[in-house]
Amino acid sequence: QVQLVESGGGVVQPGRSLRLSCAASGFNFNNYAMHWVRQAPGKGLEWVALILNDGRTKKYGDSVKGRFTISRDNSKNTLYVEMNSLKDEDTAVYYCARESNGFDIWGQGTMVTVSS
Amino acid sequence: QAGLTQPPSVSKGLRQTATLTCTGNRNNVANEGAAWLQQNQGHPPKLLSYRDNKRPSGISERFSASRSGDTASLTISGLQPEDEADYYCSAWDSSLNVWLFGGGTKLTVL
Repeated sequence: QVQLVESGGGVVQPGRSLRLSCAASGFNFNNYAMHWVRQAPGKGLEWVALILNDGRTKKYGDSVKGRFTISRDNSKNTLYVEMNSLKDEDTAVYYCARESNGFDIWGQGTMVTVSS
Repeated sequence: QAGLTQPPSVSKGLRQTATLTCTGNRNNVANEGAAWLQQNQGHPPKLLSYRDNKRPSGISERFSASRSGDTASLTISGLQPEDEADYYCSAWDSSLNVWLFGGGTKLTVL
């Protein structure tokens, strides 16, 4: 079935880096734009980044621009986000989502906690 | 950056109708359209509607979306206990080149 599975979350100190992955299955990953969306504990959804299907066009939210890098490997059906210079306020559940007439498929999320 | 405005909470009785709103501007909701998502506690969001009023397959007809100018609306008829959840609107902002989410509305079914 159509599925997205995130991994790579954990506890990291402020200023350090972390890379999240999102493995896609059940659909032609090459054909879709993909996104990262996060949700801080008890808060609403915040869009983080998008990457178009060819991997060349990328957009970022203001709060992560210059620190996060989104990428994809279409041969591995996998989406990534490299998160550098992490801050306390980056603590959140990170979801990957497929864009097809809206954010139609979501993963279960992976928790990132930035704490010393 | 600019965002989409949703009321923090709405309460309605069982079997009643609730209408949730989402206000943006000409750069997002008015010209790009809005989508609605439902999120139950501890679960990822679920797409309820897109492009203002389109419903993905499998979504109940009790959920209907619309738009008037820069305000999008989600109407939920015949409220059921399982409709109690957080509801978010989203839209692409063509001026800022970012996706926006509303702050979310917590729907309580009394």
